[in-house]
Amino acid sequence: SAVISQKPSRDICQRGTSLTIQCQVDSQVTMMFWYRQQPGQSLTLIATANQGSEATYESGFVIDKFPISRPNLTFSTLTVSNMSPEDSSIYLCSVLTKGYTFGSGTRLTVV
Amino acid sequence: RKEVEQDPGPFNVPEGATVAFNCTYSNSASQSFFWYRQDCRKEPKLLMSVYSSGNEDGRFTAQLNRASQYISLLIRDSKLSDSATYLCVVNINTNAGKSTFGDGTTLTVKP
Repeated sequence: SAVISQKPSRDICQRGTSLTIQCQVDSQVTMMFWYRQQPGQSLTLIATANQGSEATYESGFVIDKFPISRPNLTFSTLTVSNMSPEDSSIYLCSVLTKGYTFGSGTRLTVV
Repeated sequence: RKEVEQDPGPFNVPEGATVAFNCTYSNSASQSFFWYRQDCRKEPKLLMSVYSSGNEDGRFTAQLNRASQYISLLIRDSKLSDSATYLCVVNINTNAGKSTFGDGTTLTVKP
């Protein structure tokens, strides 16, 4: 299965600022996925990052708030923009290769 | 009704016990099914895929019942290290990577 390097692993940010999360995969993958996991809850898909085209966002998530880049088949970034305390969560990237493989997650706290 | 529903937890069992989790899904067009394990403050990791014929991996057995639209996970001879949250994942469209995660069932195995 793929190996994903995700960073940062955690951050504490001031409200109104932005944070960019990076994921590097050790192999080329067509789709990468970005999830959010609120404390005590399961994973919610934010968007699917496609190489060479705009990301596909799920209901409730918009590009202005969560811009995504996918410059090549092994890398993607998710930016959490204009953060508020409600954005405090764990953010995970994932690829689908015989089941999902996840990055180790970014634990974001907005103060 | 949620697309994917899991047994409410937590399950607290003694070492050596057999425990079973169920997960129901609402979309009859669902194509693939997985069980994931998530340890506290870690990312989810694939435990096993669930096949129509059922499959077994050591102490773990997964079953799929398409007619009743549920999957199950059976853990025999529970170990302390089995303590974790188990997530049911249902994939509507394998190619598009559209999956829905259950809220998870927490298992605690006690000595």
